Amino acid sequence: EIQLQESGPGLVKPSQSLSLTCSVTGYTITSGYDWSWIRKFPGNKMEWMGYISYSGSTNYNPSLKSRISITRDTSKNQFFLQLNSVTTEDTATYYCARASYYGYIDYWGQGVMVTVSS
Amino acid sequence: EIVLTQSPTTIAASPGEKVTITCRASSSVSYMYWYQQKSGASPKLWIYDTSKLASGVPNRFSGSGSGTSYSLTINTMETEDAATYYCQQWSSTPPMTFGGGTKLELK
Repeated sequence: EIQLQESGPGLVKPSQSLSLTCSVTGYTITSGYDWSWIRKFPGNKMEWMGYISYSGSTNYNPSLKSRISITRDTSKNQFFLQLNSVTTEDTATYYCARASYYGYIDYWGQGVMVTVSS
Repeated sequence: EIVLTQSPTTIAASPGEKVTITCRASSSVSYMYWYQQKSGASPKLWIYDTSKLASGVPNRFSGSGSGTSYSLTINTMETEDAATYYCQQWSSTPPMTFGGGTKLELK
């Protein structure tokens, strides 16, 4: 069974960097698919942040392009999100997810709530 | 960026009632995807390729549409269907975008 699990701090100070890890079990991230980060803001708005593909290429939401980095550690079957210069508007639940070639998300992590506050 | 607008934002339905949620895209898309999310849980893929039901989805659900107008329909509402539903598209031009969500409540 494929499972994704996010981990990372639940509280980040403004202007600092938000760093999250997604650990994947049941599937090797270099075998296929695009490994994505998606966030859901208070009030229900959902935003795709970006992905790292099975080959290691990345694709980011243009609205975040200057602040975001998605990397991976293939030896641990993990991928990572770094979002720089956070503000209170980055407060959200962050999900890691697997995106199919056809454009839909077929597996989601449980989500981790991150609050940006001093 | 393709903007997806869902309507209604909130809807209340009684068991047995027919429910339709619409999703309009700012530009034409090839397919629409739908997710169900219940409180405290992750979203679940519900409908893919506009009209195909994901594994385990009851056949009282259906999806339809083309171009810029899509819909999710529940033929007869059941209590377990109360949730928030999101539409989503992935065009050749990134990014992937989501609709604002429709909260379906039990009347």
